Amino acid sequence: NAGVTQTPKFRILKIGQSMTLQCAQDMNHNYMYWYRQDPGMGLKLIYYSVGAGITDKGEVPNGYNVSRSTTEDFPLRLELAAPSQTSVYFCASSLDRGNTEAFFGQGTRLTVV
Amino acid sequence: GQSLEQPSEVTAVEGAIVQINCTYQTSGFYGLSWYQQHDGGAPTFLSYNALDGLEETGRFSSFLSRSDSYGYLLLQELQMKDSASYFCAVNQGGKLIFGQGTELSVKP
Repeated sequence: NAGVTQTPKFRILKIGQSMTLQCAQDMNHNYMYWYRQDPGMGLKLIYYSVGAGITDKGEVPNGYNVSRSTTEDFPLRLELAAPSQTSVYFCASSLDRGNTEAFFGQGTRLTVV
Repeated sequence: GQSLEQPSEVTAVEGAIVQINCTYQTSGFYGLSWYQQHDGGAPTFLSYNALDGLEETGRFSSFLSRSDSYGYLLLQELQMKDSASYFCAVNQGGKLIFGQGTELSVKP
């Protein structure tokens, strides 16, 4: 099992560009999450999904979009990148609502210049 | 809404015991979990409390009091490798909300 795989690991974007951060898990987990973490800060929930076809906003959804067409994949889309979106992005998954052992990917370090 | 509060920093010496507290205000509470994150790494799961009481996993223990909206992580026999950030997280029916984290520094 690879666990949770995120790509790319690093990316530099120019202001106004768009990109998709990829996340895939091979553990057949129902719940998937996207977080951002600014330096020295905690993890802020952007979006989460409780299963294929179902997504919901977290604490900081503005400027982002997600989709969940399969159980395995949960891509995060940034439209019109802004410097405020410079951060480390983590994708995570967990089995169900009661089992909150969340497994994290290794993160994507994004810089918007 | 929801909020979690943890101390921002804690310092302790090797071999000692340290307690990291977490208080929360949230709706739809299912449980409290703890994660460890080393610099530059991904968070890793340490423990989860759904019910009141103490959960023990090796050198780490976690406690929850639902009536007090309070929990703590207890680290015993501290080692240098325990220097990291520790996060509490509330489970709101599968939606995981994290606190700001506590940076633990273990000194020789």
